[in-house]
Amino acid sequence: DTEVTQTPKHLVMGMTNKKSLKCEQHMGHRAMYWYKQKAKKPPELMFVYSYEKLSINESVPSRFSPECPNSSLLNLHLHALQPEDSALYLCASSQVGTANSPLHFGNGTRLTVT
Amino acid sequence: QQQVKQSPQSLIVQKGGISIINCAYENTAFDYFPWYQQFPGKGPALLIAIRPDVSEKKEGRFTISFNKSAKQFSLHIMDSQPGDSATYFCAASWNTNAGKSTFGDGTTLTVKP
Repeated sequence: DTEVTQTPKHLVMGMTNKKSLKCEQHMGHRAMYWYKQKAKKPPELMFVYSYEKLSINESVPSRFSPECPNSSLLNLHLHALQPEDSALYLCASSQVGTANSPLHFGNGTRLTVT
Repeated sequence: QQQVKQSPQSLIVQKGGISIINCAYENTAFDYFPWYQQFPGKGPALLIAIRPDVSEKKEGRFTISFNKSAKQFSLHIMDSQPGDSATYFCAASWNTNAGKSTFGDGTTLTVKP
């Protein structure tokens, strides 16, 4: 099983709903990420947190709002999403400033916007 | 501008055969090249990785070959098994900045029994 845990595994929401995705890791990693993945496509970086501070926002629409409450938790708050936002949302973590540190991905939340 | 180009898009191999997936990169600042394996319904998982000061790395049936002058690297899967059927992504990043990884478009491998 993956060491990065994401909840829920599946989420269906309407365009007017507000929901949150959650991610947790206990590997002591100080960098955490949100990726969006469409079918048959590579993961697309959305946000990066380094030492609990937002360090990268890849021009993501404001209807996606990340939050990093502490070094182990990462949330993604969703509001007024569009059907084209339906995708697999992946959380990942990694060490910071360490050689040969790969990304550790969770199994994702499959989001469907109706 | 796509910084990592991956081919082929899909690959069908017979059980016991060799699967080969190729990637080419453009940015010479990249110095860490991981391969991720993704099964349906799962997140990508690190399979094997290499740094450019090494020309080849082998872990079990999986081998990365790296050609720094050509800016190319490839994944070889020996004795391919049906359980290897998955999508494979090559990636490139700066060594201490895993999060800024650039991914290839992926290769869907099917190993027929």
